[in-house]
Amino acid sequence: EPEVTQTPSHQVTQMGQEVILRCVPISNHLYFYWYRQILGQKVEFLVSFYNNEISEKSEIFDDQFSVERPDGSNFTLKIRSTKLEDSAMYFCASSEIRGVDTQYFGPGTRLTVL
Amino acid sequence: DQQVKQNSPSLSVQEGRISILNCDYTNSMFDYFLWYKKYPAEGPTFLISISSIKDKNEDGRFTVFLNKSAKHLSLHIVPSQPGDSAVYFCAASEGVNFGNEKLTFGTGTRLTIIP
Repeated sequence: EPEVTQTPSHQVTQMGQEVILRCVPISNHLYFYWYRQILGQKVEFLVSFYNNEISEKSEIFDDQFSVERPDGSNFTLKIRSTKLEDSAMYFCASSEIRGVDTQYFGPGTRLTVL
Repeated sequence: DQQVKQNSPSLSVQEGRISILNCDYTNSMFDYFLWYKKYPAEGPTFLISISSIKDKNEDGRFTVFLNKSAKHLSLHIVPSQPGDSAVYFCAASEGVNFGNEKLTFGTGTRLTIIP
């Protein structure tokens, strides 16, 4: 069964450094999403992306964050200057059609900012 | 800002019995509700959903009930099986008929099925 993959599974970085989290969505999917979950808290929506544009973003997704689909297969989340509070599990999701119950989630990347 | 609340962080149920997971919400604009299941080291997996125009949706062993007046929904699993042991997230969306894609999640309930 096709699945969303994410790399790396765990990323450790120093505060102030840039990180890029990578996702490979399911191949025929057109809509892409990032969510995050701070330890012990709820999963939070960050951004949705379609046709090379952000279609929706949350208040969390400030200027420090950016997303990109650099080629036909990868979907990346960049955090320009990481803060301690960016430590979280980041989930990528993709869907073939627009809608909430068609989103397939990847296993997540655990980001630890020291 | 807890628009979706799951007040029970954990629940233990005997195998074969019914598991009932509860979720409350505060945002009246939510019109679509979902349950996700999450195993360790995996992403959330969609389980079942319900539109606000319905009060019940059933899929095999899983049934979701929606009480709009109480702003409450529940997931029933019957009979419970050991493979159901996971964290269950309630989620909601507003304006789903307009293609809204943003999901608002609860904090999750860890379900443990006791053999």
